[in-house]
Order: sequence, then C-alpha cells, then structure tokens
Amino acid sequence: DTAVSQTPKYLVTQMGNDKSIKCEQNLGHDTMYWYKQDSKKFLKIMFSYNNKELIINETVPNRFSPKSPDKAHLNLHINSLELGDSAVYFCASSPNGGSGANVLTFGAGSRLTVL
Amino acid sequence: GDSVTQMEGPVTLSEEAFLTINCTYTATGYPSLFWYVQYPGEGLQLLLKATKADDKGSNKGFEATYRKETTSFHLEKGSVQVSDSAVYFCARYSGGYQKVTFGIGTKLQVIP
Repeated sequence: DTAVSQTPKYLVTQMGNDKSIKCEQNLGHDTMYWYKQDSKKFLKIMFSYNNKELIINETVPNRFSPKSPDKAHLNLHINSLELGDSAVYFCASSPNGGSGANVLTFGAGSRLTVL
Repeated sequence: GDSVTQMEGPVTLSEEAFLTINCTYTATGYPSLFWYVQYPGEGLQLLLKATKADDKGSNKGFEATYRKETTSFHLEKGSVQVSDSAVYFCARYSGGYQKVTFGIGTKLQVIP
C-alpha cells in the first residue's frame, strides 16, 4: 500500500477553471502538508495541518483553499486557475513525536498544467 | 529568517567519482538537518538526518556531518553510481510547529 497517495497524478486544464487535488496517508501521522515545486525544482511549503487544524499558512493566493476532513486526508482546491499555478504539487505527512518526528514522507506528486 | 543554502547544479560526475554537495544553514536555534533525494518522476524521500552538532548521518554510502562551527551539513559519497542520479535537497527543521525549510536542490548526473 502506498503510504502517501495523491490524485490525480496529472491534471491539464484551462485558465479560469477550478480543480482539486486529493491526498491520503495511511501512516497514522498527525501532520500533513502541501508543497509546490516549480520548474526549477524549488520547493515551497504552502499549508500544514495538524490533526485537522491549520497550523502553517504561507503567503499563498486565497484562490488556494486546503481542507482536512480528518487527519488522514488533506485536499487542495484551487479556484480560477492561472498560468503561474502550473507546477508539481506534493502532499507530505510527518509524525509529531518519536524517532521519525519532523521527517516528511512525500507523495509522488500531482503535475498541474494550466493552458 | 531560517534558511538553507546549497550549491547550484547541475553536478556531472563520472561513475566512481567522489561527490560533495555543499549545504550551509542559518545559525538560529538548534535545528535538525536533513538530506532528501528526489529521483526522476518521484516525490522526495529522506536520505539521512542529524539532530545535533557533530552527529553524522549516513545511508546508502552517503554521509553528512552536522558542523555547528561552520554551520554546514555537506553531503558526501566516496564512489557514485549511475543510479545516484537525482536531485538532492538539504533541509532544516526550524522549530515552531513542524516547519521544514528546503534548499534549492542540486541536480546530480552520473555518467558511465
């Protein structure tokens, strides 16, 4: 079983559309994240949730809205897509304590292309 | 603010060459330090970590030592293989609530 799974893997859409990316982790981790990776591989955190509570909300347009229905799921909804939103979006999770604390487990990524 | 600086790539090496990828961090607090690796088409995965000064992290022949005096965490491998071709990210845990800061990533290409 995949530890952190995100869908879809590829998403091609037109400017102005609304789309969602879903993420699920089966590791029992308490914290989940969304990262954005641009074409130069630069990785930037967008959001982080701990047990369904938003704890990190970086400078991200309010067109991006995360939602965590439970601690195993963190979805990302994007309204009014723009060309600059094209990137690979990574979901990740980590435990709060123990030897693995602060170690991130990443999903395989969702490549978003806005035309 | 908290940051991580790593050398820009790409780095191209012949198989069995010695690898060093430099990484320095801002000296605020007592961060944990990490190296992550991203193979083509995949997400990042932890390569090694060190949680305090003078700790050495190691995995798959890669090593990095947490040097507080030089605020560095350089990644080394004695003999690289073609299968090591990937992008390598240095990272720090900045304290607070689970915030990990990544460097820009260094692409390594190993040629036969």
